[in-house]
Amino acid sequence: QSVLTQPPSASGTPGQRVTISCSGSSSNIGSNTVNWYQQLPGTAPKLLIYSNNQRPSGVPDRFSGSKSGTSASLAISGLQSEDEADYYCAAWDDSLIFGGGTKLTVL
Amino acid sequence: QVTLKESGPVLVKPTETLTLTCTVSGFSLSNARMGVSWIRQPPGKALEWLAHIFSNDEKSYSTSLKSRLTISKDTSKSQVVLTMTNMDPVDTATYYCARTLPYYDFWSGLQYYFDYWGQGTLVTVSS
Repeated sequence: QSVLTQPPSASGTPGQRVTISCSGSSSNIGSNTVNWYQQLPGTAPKLLIYSNNQRPSGVPDRFSGSKSGTSASLAISGLQSEDEADYYCAAWDDSLIFGGGTKLTVL
Repeated sequence: QVTLKESGPVLVKPTETLTLTCTVSGFSLSNARMGVSWIRQPPGKALEWLAHIFSNDEKSYSTSLKSRLTISKDTSKSQVVLTMTNMDPVDTATYYCARTLPYYDFWSGLQYYFDYWGQGTLVTVSS
């Protein structure tokens, strides 16, 4: 069981906005930044958001991140079929930790 | 073009030591702002960070696995090596290496993210 808690699944229809939460504590999210990774089926993870809300070049602005206190969220607007993937949050604690992952299904 | 490629045994026996190599290209392990991490993922499960190393030989390990891990680098060969001792079937996983970039956050201090990942190598632990 991960120290960073994510819902195991989420879903939405094309065009919808979905959010994925990541809940932690004062020792991780509360005092460090959060990064988000997207893992498409059968592939290596890809950096989606770093430093809570920064998008690397090439990541569409449909993806956004936020953090408040000991929780963080990833929002995906204008949901597309190619967004179907596993999403992981990550933050430093006494070592770097990942959330348990959220499987996003596009209905 | 930045690439990372993991190599190592596909199958190891319980109690054996695993040695994995990450060969990088498109950047130098002597670059002060770049490092390499190892991350693993058991089949159908979540990611787990293992260790990282930077050009100044700064190293950090997963708290739970620290006693079993050693990370090192050979800058001339552009390689980062991870050894994990006393392998167990629960260590069966895809092992990834990833380029690690530090950044500074005003409130949180030094932080890291992984911007390029290797394709991963599946290691099975079985007798």
